[in-house]
Amino acid sequence: AQSVAQPEDQVNVAEGNPLTVKCTYSVSGNPYLFWYVQYPNRGLQFLLKYITGDNLVKGSYGFEAEFNKSQTSFHLKKPSALVSDSALYFCAVRTGNNRKLIWGLGTSLAVNP
Amino acid sequence: GAGVSQSPSNKVTEKGKDVELRCDPISGHTALYWYRQSLGQGLEFLIYFQGNSAPDKSGLPSDRFSAERTGGSVSTLTIQRTQQEDSAVYLCASSTRLAGVDTQYFGPGTRLTVL
Repeated sequence: AQSVAQPEDQVNVAEGNPLTVKCTYSVSGNPYLFWYVQYPNRGLQFLLKYITGDNLVKGSYGFEAEFNKSQTSFHLKKPSALVSDSALYFCAVRTGNNRKLIWGLGTSLAVNP
Repeated sequence: GAGVSQSPSNKVTEKGKDVELRCDPISGHTALYWYRQSLGQGLEFLIYFQGNSAPDKSGLPSDRFSAERTGGSVSTLTIQRTQQEDSAVYLCASSTRLAGVDTQYFGPGTRLTVL
């Protein structure tokens, strides 16, 4: 069965430190991978996606993600965290012509001043 | 440009009543999705519309849930005889192809509370 795992329910980092939010996936076929962010009482906002090509994808708000095929991972990263990055982050995957996304359960990121 | 809009933003209803939730997708987006997000949970897929094709209803939790999309644009999610377990945030998304792969854009959601 196809699935997405976000192994950490919560990540805490200090402002200015690098942050990583982890995502691993299990699909048959080539994956299309997405990261979304949800700020409190708001809808989900698209951050970035991987389709093909360079394994390092850059997205909104200074975030980037690295696709690692051998480890089936797509971890979200940012070199220097901001307090305003505190939010809920979701990883999602789809394959081929299937337009339905498979979602992780989300990781709550808390950036402490 | 305008994003996905949803109405109402909040809905409080009594158990057993019917509710209708509305979604206005981004103009020109051919695909529309409904999700449910319960407190502290991830996204639960409900239903998906693509152009004039038959919708994918595989995520609807019971026959009390239905949705339609009129004219390939606005969609309404209807929940009949609401139950307390229906309380959640209902999210709508629409999508278009960017660089060959659909990207879903979400509305702010409707928070449904069933008393």
